[in-house]
Amino acid sequence: DAGVIQSPRHEVTEMGQEVTLRCKPISGHDYLFWYRQTMMRGLELLIYFNNNVPIDDSGMPEDRFSAKMPNASFSTLKIQPSEPRDSAVYFCASSFSTFGEQYFGPGTRLTVT
Amino acid sequence: TQLLEQSPQFLSIQEGENLTVYCNSSSVFSSLQWYRQEPGEGPVLLVTVVTGGEVKKLKRLTFQFGDARKDSSLHITAAQPGDTGLYLCASNAGNMLTFGGGTRLMVKP
Repeated sequence: DAGVIQSPRHEVTEMGQEVTLRCKPISGHDYLFWYRQTMMRGLELLIYFNNNVPIDDSGMPEDRFSAKMPNASFSTLKIQPSEPRDSAVYFCASSFSTFGEQYFGPGTRLTVT
Repeated sequence: TQLLEQSPQFLSIQEGENLTVYCNSSSVFSSLQWYRQEPGEGPVLLVTVVTGGEVKKLKRLTFQFGDARKDSSLHITAAQPGDTGLYLCASNAGNMLTFGGGTRLMVKP
């Protein structure tokens, strides 16, 4: 199994631009999670899906952030417009259950200048 | 306020030393997971502890779940540079898995 796949691995963009992060979960996992990690705030859960349906998006910082999961093998996290304070590493993870082991992708390092 | 408090936040030691990191909460958990995150990668599960008082060993790593299931510790014997990374504990809180702030460990050769 290839594990959780994220793209791009690195993204550098200017303030105000739209950013789209992509994730392919492990086949058969019903749960998909999006996290943001910074030195100051640690690992924060942004949103998670169960069977492609968003269950809890209370961690999404503001309306500039949106996430979709059109099918079981693909999810996107979009930031529009991006701001410098969005700079962080964004992780996607998938799991068989809410409390089970989570398998993380390698992350996308986003820098907004 | 973190539901799971990890300490210390940072630890820098020499190769060969022993260390213990802690994960504490005021809540009782049904289980607790420990992850290690190496630089440039995502976290990877090391172990899950379920029973109060449980001790699990993974080579030089010893994990313990408190009797009251409110705390856990990770002890590393004879640390090596390959142990360098961020150690995260995670447990159930509400309807999802919640992570602590992590202990960032650096083992110098």
